[in-house]
Amino acid sequence: DVKVTQSSRYLVKRTGEKVFLECVQDMDHENMFWYRQDPGLGLRLIYFSYDVKMKEKGDIPEGYSVSREKKERFSLILESASTNQTSMYLCASSPRWAEQFFGPGTRLTVL
Amino acid sequence: GENVEQHPSTLSVQEGDSAVIKCTYSDSASNYFPWYKQELGKRPQLIIDIRSNVGEKKDQRIAVTLNKTAKHFSLHITETQPEDSAVYFCAASPSDYKLSFGAGTTVTVRA
Repeated sequence: DVKVTQSSRYLVKRTGEKVFLECVQDMDHENMFWYRQDPGLGLRLIYFSYDVKMKEKGDIPEGYSVSREKKERFSLILESASTNQTSMYLCASSPRWAEQFFGPGTRLTVL
Repeated sequence: GENVEQHPSTLSVQEGDSAVIKCTYSDSASNYFPWYKQELGKRPQLIIDIRSNVGEKKDQRIAVTLNKTAKHFSLHITETQPEDSAVYFCAASPSDYKLSFGAGTTVTVRA
């Protein structure tokens, strides 16, 4: 079974804090993704990575950065958290051209 | 970029009836169309997918149809059961890596 894990299920941070969300997959997948999920907006792609140290912007990259130093790990960084970044964050991984496997999600609240 | 529209946003059906969710996409280069189901509090999971070289695919009570000329695809669930209650997302892939998701349809199956 593919396993995608995320570092926290719930996180509460203050405005201006630096926030790290981590995602780890155990299936040697090339591709990894970060989405945010908001009611009525579906899943919106923030960043994705198709190889170690490679990254590309998704549809809503503003205010976020990512890091992929190892194949199994993909981190999402909020340099200075803001209240409009309160959301559910989902990580996913996939081999090329195939099903994306999602992690359990991190519900981030920025106060 | 790819734009996926999904309708309806909510759908209530009587147990045993059929449910149909429709999606349209904008990028004619898209050639992979998955459907994900997300139960309350859980991660999205792939339930069926179709590639552009086929027009229809079926898996037990679930079927997906694709019309590339009209750029739309649909999910059909027959003989609905309470466990079909969930949020369903369609997606389209215009590249090797990325998926663009619809906004989601909340399906409620009434007993």
